[in-house]
Amino acid sequence: GAGVSQSPSNKVTEKGKDVELRCDPISGHTALYWYRQSLGQGLEFLIYFQGNSAPDKSGLPSDRFSAERTGGSVSTLTIQRTQQEDSAVYLCASSYIDRGGGQPQHFGDGTRLSIL
Amino acid sequence: AQSVTQLGSHVSVSEGALVLLRCNYSSSVPPYLFWYVQYPNQGLQLLLKYTSAATLVKGINGFEAEFKKSETSFHLTKPSAHMSDAAEYFCAVSDVGSSNTGKLIFGQGTTLQVKP
Repeated sequence: GAGVSQSPSNKVTEKGKDVELRCDPISGHTALYWYRQSLGQGLEFLIYFQGNSAPDKSGLPSDRFSAERTGGSVSTLTIQRTQQEDSAVYLCASSYIDRGGGQPQHFGDGTRLSIL
Repeated sequence: AQSVTQLGSHVSVSEGALVLLRCNYSSSVPPYLFWYVQYPNQGLQLLLKYTSAATLVKGINGFEAEFKKSETSFHLTKPSAHMSDAAEYFCAVSDVGSSNTGKLIFGQGTTLQVKP
């Protein structure tokens, strides 16, 4: 079956430009997560979506970052006015919801973002 | 709040030797713990998980981990290393605090090198 799909796989853009990163989760997974992986900070949680509930945005590093999830499926992470420190690999993961937190998350291959 | 510490950012073993990757966690509630592996330019792949059933957990590719509450540890082992095991390994705990989103809190990762 299809796994988590992310696009683009690589993105190079100039400082100050806006970027959109896309995540298509595994069908039937109601929970969707975005993480950022960078050399200095390791793997960091960014945002969490669960069904029609309000997302948990507690990990977003600044108001330049936003995300939406349409129809409970595809998600888009948008970074406005990109800065060099935004350069990282952005990983998306999905899972079945388990209020206890025991369900494993399935990860996409990520989008490698480079800000010039 | 939960946290994870991986001891040793880099571990080197000979092919056929025992692999031991260390992980200690901090959690005020019974944790859900995971080990993930990441190969170059790929996302994270689940190796195994602990969700309060058996304390010795067997995963894919011959890996296993033992949950030791008294030591707050969840070390990953494999009896005999293979060249294909060379990768980065992440230990993670699931957030089951007040937000209960299931977001993962990762250790800093351990790079495993396997020498022929």
